[in-house]
Amino acid sequence: GQQVMQIPQYQHVQEGEDFTTYCNSSTTLSNIQWYKQRPGGHPVFLIQLVKSGEVKKQKRLTFQFGEAKKNSSLHITATQTTDVGTYFCAGPDTNAGKSTFGDGTTLTVKP
Amino acid sequence: DSGVTQTPKHLITATGQRVTLRCSPRSGDLSVYWYQQSLDQGLQFLIQYYNGEERAKGNILERFSAQQFPDLHSELNLSSLELGDSALYFCASREGAGDHNEQFFGPGTRLTVL
Repeated sequence: GQQVMQIPQYQHVQEGEDFTTYCNSSTTLSNIQWYKQRPGGHPVFLIQLVKSGEVKKQKRLTFQFGEAKKNSSLHITATQTTDVGTYFCAGPDTNAGKSTFGDGTTLTVKP
Repeated sequence: DSGVTQTPKHLITATGQRVTLRCSPRSGDLSVYWYQQSLDQGLQFLIQYYNGEERAKGNILERFSAQQFPDLHSELNLSSLELGDSALYFCASREGAGDHNEQFFGPGTRLTVL
């Protein structure tokens, strides 16, 4: 079945440093979604990318969808302590309506 | 607040027991998804219902079952509980059956099996 892999699993940064997480799918995706889960919280939708090569920005967050629509990345510029949490990517599976989530990248930020 | 509610928030029970987790989706959402998240693990998809019908199945154990009722709320039943079933169980809802819009997650039910 479809696999969605994320690297790294953990990332520790000093406040102000940049952070990037990468998501790779074993199959071509029609879209990719990104979610953030704060410690002790539930996943919250951040963004959806649909087009090949698409780049979207949300303040300090930049999301990119690969040309082949099999990979994606989330880049955070100048991390802040509010950025801590686990970032998940999710891509639709061949089963319609089912999304496969990556294992997530957990970001910790040292003040 | 996502608009998705889950009860109970916490559940502590013993091995061999049976529990029921409840989820009410956002108003207007017809799809309900159940996920299991073990400690420091990702989100494992269990099952999806759309408008009362099972739509997709993931790695759901035979000891687990779910249903979606006419009012669209859903229940996840876990039986013959084992220590390894201890986890956070999330419910998420979505407007349609497809995968082109976001999922809204509930706050989760933390299950502890002793």
